Amino acid sequence: NAGVTQTPKFQVLKTGQSMTLQCAQDMNHEYMSWYRQDPGMGLRLIHYSVGAGITDQGEVPNGYNVSRSTTEDFPLRLLSAAPSQTSVYFCASSPDRVNTGELFFGEGSRLTVL
Amino acid sequence: AQSVTQLDSHVSVSEGTPVLLRCNYSSSYSPSLFWYVQHPNKGLQLLLKYTSAATLVKGINGFEAEFKKSETSFHLTKPSAHMSDAAEYFCVVRTGGFKTIFGAGTRLFVKA
Repeated sequence: NAGVTQTPKFQVLKTGQSMTLQCAQDMNHEYMSWYRQDPGMGLRLIHYSVGAGITDQGEVPNGYNVSRSTTEDFPLRLLSAAPSQTSVYFCASSPDRVNTGELFFGEGSRLTVL
Repeated sequence: AQSVTQLDSHVSVSEGTPVLLRCNYSSSYSPSLFWYVQHPNKGLQLLLKYTSAATLVKGINGFEAEFKKSETSFHLTKPSAHMSDAAEYFCVVRTGGFKTIFGAGTRLFVKA
């Protein structure tokens, strides 16, 4: 009963490096999304997808790229890491395409950019 | 525009006493409202949700919340706190526009 799986759980990068955070769900959910969590700010939406081949920007998309080639996978790419991207990242999915249903979260990926 | 305000960043209670975590929201549409809990170094878990059915919503672990449209509030309560309730709690608003708005979170401390 995997649910939403994120990898890696921890990562340290140097400024300017690129990397991809992986997210996979096995619940056949159409809606998937990426959030970053920073102290005192709750979770902020980076990008989301309502199905394979469809993505859109959230609240804080700059410096991040996404794609959705399959229903299961929704990777988040950092193109050129900056210290401001130090954060905890959460992937979430939902069976509800119209965005009123429960979100199912992964356990998070803690990223540090030096 | 949609927004969520959690009125307390920290709440401290003694074990066995009631818990009240306050949330006010603003939404141009009929919202769906949620409370999530996050234990240290874990993902978020759904406690309960309101989606325009009964205004008093019961969730897991003895938590409940009441939707009050006139006050635009969705406060979370529990009659008797347990040590395992110590965590961070998030109030969340979702509307049909694919935007999900999280409150800043309330950290609950439970004293023995």
